[in-house]
Amino acid sequence: NAGVMQNPRHLVRRRGQEARLRCSPMKGHSHVYWYRQLPEEGLKFMVYLQKENIIDESGMPKERFSAEFPKEGPSILRIQQVVRGDSAAYFCASSVGGRRSSGANVLTFGAGSRLTVL
Amino acid sequence: AQSVTQLGSHVSVSEGALVLLRCNYSSSVPPYLFWYVQYPNQGLQLLLKYTTGATLVKGINGFEAEFKKSETSFHLTKPSAHMSDAAEYFCAVSETGTASKLTFGTGTRLQVTL
Repeated sequence: NAGVMQNPRHLVRRRGQEARLRCSPMKGHSHVYWYRQLPEEGLKFMVYLQKENIIDESGMPKERFSAEFPKEGPSILRIQQVVRGDSAAYFCASSVGGRRSSGANVLTFGAGSRLTVL
Repeated sequence: AQSVTQLGSHVSVSEGALVLLRCNYSSSVPPYLFWYVQYPNQGLQLLLKYTTGATLVKGINGFEAEFKKSETSFHLTKPSAHMSDAAEYFCAVSETGTASKLTFGTGTRLQVTL
């Protein structure tokens, strides 16, 4: 039973290029979350998605960042016109339930995608 | 709003010594509390969680944590450190019913020496 799969594990982009990070949730999980980890910092929530729906994007920068979780295929975090400040580790997590689940909703994390902007 | 404070960004202990990693939280409603461990170049792995009920929570790898409401703390302990425990540890909080949005502390890097 594969866990949360993220690819690529490492991505290098030049300023102004686009970065696309992909995340396949655990089997049976229909909720996906993206977090960003800047150097020497904890993880910061970015966005929470269900299939074809963005549930909470309160942590997403207003410009250049977008996320989707289509009916078929992985969730995609897209960063347009990358800048050096976008260099970070981007973690995806998935869960069985979401906000309305009773009890603690445990998130399972992927290994992360490390973006380096030159 | 919720927040997490982890005291000590780096902690060093000798192998066999007690491990104590501190976490204090702030939450306007009863919280859910979590400890995650991150090994180099890997994702986060859940160590343990507190939701309701018993305030002393046991996790994997011999770790445990105690929820103390009066102190708003959720410190992580292990009686005897092992070299394999060297990693980064993150405390996280979520508000009851909105468990999807975890708020993380800045992490504590645990070093274990011989």
